[in-house]
Amino acid sequence: EDQVTQSPEALRLQEGESSSLNCSYTVSGLRGLFWYRQDPGKGPEFLFTLYSAGEEKEKERLKATLTKKESFLHITAPKPEDSATYLCAVQVRDNNDMRFGAGTRLTVKP
Amino acid sequence: KAGVTQTPRYLIKTRGQQVTLSCSPISGHRSVSWYQQTPGQGLQFLFEYFSETQRNKGNFPGRFSGRQFSNSRSEMNVSTLELGDSALYLCASSLVTGRANEKLFFGSGTQLSVL
Repeated sequence: EDQVTQSPEALRLQEGESSSLNCSYTVSGLRGLFWYRQDPGKGPEFLFTLYSAGEEKEKERLKATLTKKESFLHITAPKPEDSATYLCAVQVRDNNDMRFGAGTRLTVKP
Repeated sequence: KAGVTQTPRYLIKTRGQQVTLSCSPISGHRSVSWYQQTPGQGLQFLFEYFSETQRNKGNFPGRFSGRQFSNSRSEMNVSTLELGDSALYLCASSLVTGRANEKLFFGSGTQLSVL
């Protein structure tokens, strides 16, 4: 069965303290892996799409990487405004399903 | 460019009632997907419509249904509401390349409370 697992569930960082969020997956065939950011009371907002192992994407303080079994979202020198829930989703090749993980709730303290 | 618009923003209903939620996608997006989000289950896929046809369906009971109009606007309906249907209902639109959806653009959701 297709599964997406994110860890940790919650992460508290001091401003400037870099860290990584993990998304591990088991799917029959991966078309793409997506990262989204969700702020309270809002819908998820797209960050990155990764399609093949070894691929990396960067945006400001965020960098996403992909292997055959997992993806990492690295946050370098985070700021309080990076506080949000980060969701990863895998798109299954055969049926186009987009399956989401439960998310990591990130809090960055000033 | 306007984003995905969902109405209403909040709804309070009682058990047994039915509810209809509305979604207007980004102009030019022909795919509309619906998700249910709860603290315990996270984001769960309900169904996807493309060019007025349901293309994909998640594992939800038949009480959950939807439709899409010729202008790509979509509605979802939940009949015979249960307490467990309380959730944030999110609509997302996307472009489609071949058969596959590109990245999803989400609305702010409709927060449904069933009493």
